[in-house]
Amino acid sequence: GQQVMQIPQYQHVQEGEDFTTYCNSSTTLSNIQWYKQRPGGHPVFLIQLVKSGEVKKQKRLTFQFGEAKKNSSLHITATQTTDVGTYFCAGAGNTPLVFGKGTRLSVIA
Amino acid sequence: EAGVAQSPRYKIIEKRQSVAFWCNPISGHATLYWYQQILGQGPKLLIQFQNNGVVDDSQLPKDRFSAERLKGVDSTLKIQPAKLEDSAVYLCASRAPGQGNYGYTFGSGTRLTVV
Repeated sequence: GQQVMQIPQYQHVQEGEDFTTYCNSSTTLSNIQWYKQRPGGHPVFLIQLVKSGEVKKQKRLTFQFGEAKKNSSLHITATQTTDVGTYFCAGAGNTPLVFGKGTRLSVIA
Repeated sequence: EAGVAQSPRYKIIEKRQSVAFWCNPISGHATLYWYQQILGQGPKLLIQFQNNGVVDDSQLPKDRFSAERLKGVDSTLKIQPAKLEDSAVYLCASRAPGQGNYGYTFGSGTRLTVV
């Protein structure tokens, strides 16, 4: 079945540094979604990418969808302590969302 | 807009006991999902409902797990009997109809500990 892999598993950064997490799917996706889960919380929807090569920005967050619609990335510029949490990508093909294992981001003030 | 409501928030049971979780999705959201999230992992789909019909239950361990959504609104997920490896957070999610930039809205989840 469809698999979604994310790297890195953990990332520790100093406040103000940039952060990037990468997502790869074993199959071509119809769309990819990104979620953030704060410690002890539940996943919260950030964004959906649908088109090949699509780039979307939300303030300091930049999301990209690969040309082949099999990979994606999330880049955070100048991290803040409020960015702490686990970032999940989730791919949709012909099935409901399949989540990656997530990248846990720690920000050291 | 009210969010996805789940209860209970926490549950501790002994192995081989039964447990049930309840979910009330956002009003108007025809699609409802139950996901299992084991500590340190991403959510894993258990079952998807469209109104009161099952769309996908291929990953539901049907020998012990069951779910229903009788009136196409709220849903219950049951585990009988529970095993130690069922310890996880059970997340309910719903989704607005149609296409567009609509992600899943998750409830706060039920944290199950099987001892």
